[in-house]
Amino acid sequence: AQSVSQHNHHVILSEAASLELGCNYSYGGTVNLFWYVQYPGQHLQLLLKYFSGDPLVKGIKGFEAEFIKSKFSFNLRKPSVQWSDTAEYFCAVMPGGGADGLTFGKGTHLIIQP
Amino acid sequence: GAGVSQSPSNKVTEKGKDVELRCDPISGHTALYWYRQSLGQGLEFLIYFQGNSAPDKSGLPSDRFSAERTGGSVSTLTIQRTQQEDSAVYLCASTRKDTIYFGEGSWLTVV
Repeated sequence: AQSVSQHNHHVILSEAASLELGCNYSYGGTVNLFWYVQYPGQHLQLLLKYFSGDPLVKGIKGFEAEFIKSKFSFNLRKPSVQWSDTAEYFCAVMPGGGADGLTFGKGTHLIIQP
Repeated sequence: GAGVSQSPSNKVTEKGKDVELRCDPISGHTALYWYRQSLGQGLEFLIYFQGNSAPDKSGLPSDRFSAERTGGSVSTLTIQRTQQEDSAVYLCASTRKDTIYFGEGSWLTVV
């Protein structure tokens, strides 16, 4: 079975700082990778996803993530964060084909200080 | 089109009572998931339905939890004899082309 590890449970940054949230997964085959965001009091929203092709994927709100197959990683980045980026961020992995469902990491709570 | 719909959005129940949570997936989506999100915790997989296949129940935390999906569409998650540790947000999701769409969740509080 697959698993997902998010290394940072809590991250505090100042506005305009650069962001990188780590995500590593364990699974031997082809995977689809996702980052979801949950703003305070709201439901989960898809930030970006990787299925195949260019390993650098761009999502909404200026976020991007890079799939590095050799490192089993899918780190989320943003060059300059805003106060409105304060939220919980979840990395998730789904084996290719989706037969085994989606497995989430435990999430990273990001706080942006104005 | 409508998204994944969950009801009730909020439920407060007394310890020991049974609760039912409902999920209406997006029309045409064959796969449906239930997850649980407890305060300060990540997302915990509960159960997965795919078409007519037997559901993957490996995430259900105890035999007090059960779920069914009727006619390949609507799903009901039932928690019997609720305990305070069952308090959480219960999220339903359905999939299309490997992308999962989440409902807004049912907030369950057991008092």
